[in-house]
Amino acid sequence: RKEVEQDPGPFNVPEGATVAFNCTYSNSASQSFFWYRQDCRKEPKLLMSVYSSGNEDGRFTAQLNRASQYISLLIRDSKLSDSATYLCAVNNPGSYIPTFGRGTSLIVHP
Amino acid sequence: DGGITQSPKYLFRKEGQNVTLSCEQNLNHDAMYWYRQDPGQGLRLIYYSQIVNDFQKGDIAEGYSVSREKKESFPLTVTSAQKNPTAFYLCASSKGLGSQYFGPGTRLLVL
Repeated sequence: RKEVEQDPGPFNVPEGATVAFNCTYSNSASQSFFWYRQDCRKEPKLLMSVYSSGNEDGRFTAQLNRASQYISLLIRDSKLSDSATYLCAVNNPGSYIPTFGRGTSLIVHP
Repeated sequence: DGGITQSPKYLFRKEGQNVTLSCEQNLNHDAMYWYRQDPGQGLRLIYYSQIVNDFQKGDIAEGYSVSREKKESFPLTVTSAQKNPTAFYLCASSKGLGSQYFGPGTRLLVL
């Protein structure tokens, strides 16, 4: 089983839709979790850290499910500008080296 | 503004040539990293460094070398031993266990 797995997609949704991605991880002791956004031919940029209690930033909500070992990213009221690849990253205990998923591609169409 | 810069944006390598990619940060981060990204693929770790004058191999270090003589700088050399160097190279930095900040990347192409 890969350490961090994501459905590559693409997720093709209309503007205004709600879409959710999951990211599963294999190490139950993992401690830090992040979502990054990567636009085509650009560098990844931090979107959100994922806290145990879950966190929300505008239209974006991130949650952690330790029992099932996954994190999720929910995007409400999708905009055309949300089209990108979303990468999850997981830090294992005692390591500051994150393991990245391969990313999930989102395409928002008019 | 604090951030990470990488140069050049595009780099062309001839057969048998060594090339060096620059990475500089003014975020006062201790840790720096080099990743390689191939089309449709995830990020693969080449080298990382926690402190000055110390660095460790990542998952795909063969054919690459680095140095960390200054906290702000972490250059990557792609040697002639790297037989398939065409890729998007990303430098990143972080403070402790926090998230990573990435530079804009260098695209390396082989002539």
